[in-house]
Order: sequence, then structure tokens, then C-alpha cells
Amino acid sequence: QVQLVESGGGVVQPGRSLRLSCAASGFTFSSYGMHWVRQAPGKGLDWVAIISYSGSDKYYADSVKGRFTISRDNSKNTLYLQMNSLRAEDAAVYYCAKEPGYTYGFERWGQGTLVTVSS
Amino acid sequence: QSALTQPASVSGSPGQSITISCTGTNSEVGGYNYVSWYQQHPGIAPKLMIYAVTNRPSGVSNRFSGSKSGNTASLTISGLQAEDEADYYCSSYTSSSTYVFGTGTKVTVL
Repeated sequence: QVQLVESGGGVVQPGRSLRLSCAASGFTFSSYGMHWVRQAPGKGLDWVAIISYSGSDKYYADSVKGRFTISRDNSKNTLYLQMNSLRAEDAAVYYCAKEPGYTYGFERWGQGTLVTVSS
Repeated sequence: QSALTQPASVSGSPGQSITISCTGTNSEVGGYNYVSWYQQHPGIAPKLMIYAVTNRPSGVSNRFSGSKSGNTASLTISGLQAEDEADYYCSSYTSSSTYVFGTGTKVTVL
């Protein structure tokens, strides 16, 4: 069965960097687009970025464009999110999510990893 | 990339039907049949309930149904049950090849 496990969250100072990982299993990772979605404490869902199955196409929310980079290693079945120049407003639970393949959206989600931005 | 507009809260008694609206523009909701809906219980990752406006994934109760008219999509929950109490979010693909979520709706079962 599909399993997505995020890691790499933690406490980081404003302006610093952090890299999140999402280990995928139970499906052919290299065949599906993957997303990052975040949720600030007590707030709603906020789409962050998507990467195509091959890694050739990437799109970002305006709020993170130029600061965050989504990438993937299909040989390791792993999705990444490199977050630079972190701001207080980036603090959230970050989820990775799998595209359905047959339509657009978020078919399966990981359990999330918490990023806290604080001095 | 403004969030899609949803009512903050909707409530109903067990057995009743409720409808949650999701209003956007013709750059997302109205322009594509790629609206999806997610259920989220506290502290748990969201779960896909409806995709491509009207379709239910395998395993999702047929009490959940989706529709769209113009720039507004809707999720209807019929035969409301206690376990349906959760937050619900709509989402749409956009003309910029990005995605946007709704503001979220808290469903309360009275």
C-alpha cells in the first residue's frame, strides 16, 4: 500500500535553511507527480509546490518562489523540499502528497513534518 | 493565488444533508473540471473524498457527492453521521499550472 513518510522538520532560525524529505513506498514513485502542501498551526491547507514524475517540470506558490526548491530522486524513491531564507510565516506542518495520475489533485498524503521558525 | 472561498462552518443533525460551497474564478474552479475535496480530522492528514468535481475514490462512502456550477463547486454530505464531523477543504487546478485550496469549512454534527 502507498506510504509516504516525511522527515527533516525541526526548529530553525529566520533566514536559515532546512531540507525536508519524503520517502515513498508501495507504488511506482517514478510514474507520479508529487506535491508539498503545508498547514500552519490552526490554519488551512496551503499548496507549496509540485514536481512532475520525471522531475523536469516544477511549479511553485508565489509565496515560496525563489526561496524553496522541490526535487526528487527516483532511484531512491524520495521527494525533497529545500527551504531557504525561512520566515516566521513558513512555520507549518509540511505534507508530501502523491498525484492520482488519472486526474489532478492529492491522492495520498504523508503524516507531515513540523517546521518551526523561531529565533 | 487567492484561496477559494468556503463558509467557515456548516452544521446539521444526524441523518440530514448539508452542502459546502467553494467559490473561485474562471481561472481555476470555473475553468477546469479538476476540483477535489478533502476531509481532515484533527491531527490527521487530509483524505481525498471527491476528485474531478464528481468522482468518489474507492472506499469513500456514497453519502459524499460533488457538483459544480460556473465558478462554484459544492460538496454534499447526505445522511450526516457523527464521524463526518471534520474540516473540509476544496482544491482546484489553476490556469498557472498551480493549485489552490479553499479556506476550509468546519462541519459540526449537532
